[in-house]
Amino acid sequence: AQSVTQPDIHITVSEGASLELRCNYSYGATPYLFWYVQSPGQGLQLLLKYFSGDTLVQGIKGFEAEFKRSQSSFNLRKPSVHWSDAAEYFCAVGTPNTGNQFYFGTGTSLTVIP
Amino acid sequence: KAGVTQTPRYLIKTRGQQVTLSCSPISGHRSVSWYQQTPGQGLQFLFEYFSETQRNKGNFPGRFSGRQFSNSRSEMNVSTLELGDSALYLCASSNTGLETQYFGPGTRLLVL
Repeated sequence: AQSVTQPDIHITVSEGASLELRCNYSYGATPYLFWYVQSPGQGLQLLLKYFSGDTLVQGIKGFEAEFKRSQSSFNLRKPSVHWSDAAEYFCAVGTPNTGNQFYFGTGTSLTVIP
Repeated sequence: KAGVTQTPRYLIKTRGQQVTLSCSPISGHRSVSWYQQTPGQGLQFLFEYFSETQRNKGNFPGRFSGRQFSNSRSEMNVSTLELGDSALYLCASSNTGLETQYFGPGTRLLVL
């Protein structure tokens, strides 16, 4: 069965420090991969996506993610975190070969300290 | 383009009642998906509608149902509400369902 794992429930980083949020998936083929961000009480906003091609993708707000097929991973990175990045981050997988369904990880909560 | 809109934004109901939530997708999008988000379970897929047909369904009881209209607007209904149905219900739209899903702000349902 398809699944998405975000092993870090909560991460705290200092403002200006680098950030990496982990995401691993289980799927037989190459899925569509997404990172979303959710601020408190809000819906989800798309940060970036990967469908095919270059495995390093750039997104909004200075985020990037790298697809590593051998590790079934799609980790999100940012070189310098801003206080406004504090939010919940969700990795998602779209499975085009099995019913067009989306699967979400359980999320990583990011706290940014000054 | 206007984004995905959901109404109402907040709702308080009592156990046993039923509720209907509405979602208007981005203009031109034909796929609408519904998710339930709770602190303990995260985002769980309820169902997806495409061109007025339910195309995918998650693992929820039959009390949860939905429909989609010819203009792609979708409604979700929950009958015989239980305390555990308290959650943020998110709607997402996309063109065909395979690409990026765009989310609405959600409807926060509280069941007392």
